[in-house]
Amino acid sequence: SQKIEQNSEALNIQEGKTATLTCNYTNYSPAYLQWYRQDPGRGPVFLLLIRENEKEKRKERLKVTFDTTLKQSLFHITASQPADSATYLCASNYIPTFGRGTSLIVHP
Amino acid sequence: EAQVTQNPRYLITVTGKKLTVTCSQNMNHEYMSWYRQDPGLGLRQIYYSMNVEVTDKGDVPEGYKVSRKEKRNFPLILESPSPNQTSLYFCASSLSQTATRGYTFGSGTRLTVV
Repeated sequence: SQKIEQNSEALNIQEGKTATLTCNYTNYSPAYLQWYRQDPGRGPVFLLLIRENEKEKRKERLKVTFDTTLKQSLFHITASQPADSATYLCASNYIPTFGRGTSLIVHP
Repeated sequence: EAQVTQNPRYLITVTGKKLTVTCSQNMNHEYMSWYRQDPGLGLRQIYYSMNVEVTDKGDVPEGYKVSRKEKRNFPLILESPSPNQTSLYFCASSLSQTATRGYTFGSGTRLTVV
C-alpha cells in the first residue's frame, strides 16, 4: 500500500521568508498529489493539485513541485505571513491517502 | 455557498448509545467520504461512497455504518459507540473519486464517548 510521509516536526520561520514543506511517498507514483491547509479544529481546505507529469504548479504565493525520481513533492510559500501559520497536509489520489501534516509557524 | 455541512459540531455521549452524525453537501458531488482524525495518526478514511446506494469500506470501518440514499446526504452511524471512537470526524465530498479539484471538507464533529 502507499504511504504519504510528512515531517512531523513543526517548521518555524520568520515572516517574509519562504517556507518549504516536504511530502514523500512510498512505492508507486500517484497520478497526482494534493495539498491542503488545516487550521486547529477545522476541516482541511484544498489548495493545489499537481499531476505526475507536471513538474511545478503555482498559485499566488504558493508553489508545488513533483519529483517522481525522488518520490517527493515540495510545497513552498513565498513571502510568508503569520496568517499562513497552520498545518499543511499532503494527499495522494490512492484511496485517497493523507499524510499526517506538517505544522508551519510564521513568526512576526 | 458551496459547502459540506456536518451536525452536530460537538457531541458527548455514553458507551453503547446509538448516534448518527449527519453530512450534507449542496454541490451535486457524486463522491462522499468520512474520516476520523486522531493526534499522531492523521486522517484515516472510514467509509466512502461513489454514488447513491454505493458505499465501501475505508481503512478503519469497524464500529461504523453509513448509508447513501440520496446524493446530498451521507450520514455516519455508530450503533454502539465505544471510548476508542472518541475522535474528530470529517465528512468530505468531491465531484468524483479522482477529485482533481480537491475534496471539500465539512467543519468537523468532535465526538467524545464516555
